[in-house]
Amino acid sequence: EDKVVQSPLSLVVHEGDTVTLNCSYEVTNFRSLLWYKQEKKAPTFLFMLTSSGIEKKSGRLSSILDKKELFSILNITATQTGDSAVYLCAVRSSGDTGNQFYFGTGTSLTVIP
Amino acid sequence: DGGITQSPKYLFRKEGQNVTLSCEQNLNHDAMYWYRQDPGQGLRLIYYSQIVNDFQKGDIAEGYSVSREKKESFPLTVTSAQKNPTAFYLCASSIKRRNRGELGDTEAFFGQGTRLTVV
Repeated sequence: EDKVVQSPLSLVVHEGDTVTLNCSYEVTNFRSLLWYKQEKKAPTFLFMLTSSGIEKKSGRLSSILDKKELFSILNITATQTGDSAVYLCAVRSSGDTGNQFYFGTGTSLTVIP
Repeated sequence: DGGITQSPKYLFRKEGQNVTLSCEQNLNHDAMYWYRQDPGQGLRLIYYSQIVNDFQKGDIAEGYSVSREKKESFPLTVTSAQKNPTAFYLCASSIKRRNRGELGDTEAFFGQGTRLTVV
């Protein structure tokens, strides 16, 4: 059974802390891994990773994929209260019936002043 | 502006009623998806469609139905057979990969969601 597992389920940190969110997966026909941020409604896209070992970076956020060990991490440095959200990891799989996205349960991050 | 529009934002249903959630996109994406989100359970796939007039069941299709008569539209009907329909429903779309090795995958673009409550 295809699955995506995120850890921790929730995290509370102080502003300025650095956090690392984890995502492991067992998905057949892997094509890419994606990270999203969800604050209230629609998830907003952060990164798409397809190759191992290449870090994607956007401001204080960065992510890397390890296709051998089947996991990815999302790092947030110097956290701010605006980083409080649920972070979702998804794996895109391609098969005979097309592409599917498998989502993890998310990590709920709370940043307190 | 290009994007995905879901309506309504909030929907109340009496037990035993069917309701239809709307999802429209003007991104010219081939693939469209419906997900259900419950607290602590992430996004679970209900149905997806890669092309007009074709769709496949996801992991939790029971009690739901869809149609894909137009590329832009992928409505979801929550039937009375769905025993626990109260949830947040998200529609998404993406470009469909056409052949192996072709670049151009996109992420899944999401609508703003519909919160369905059974009263």
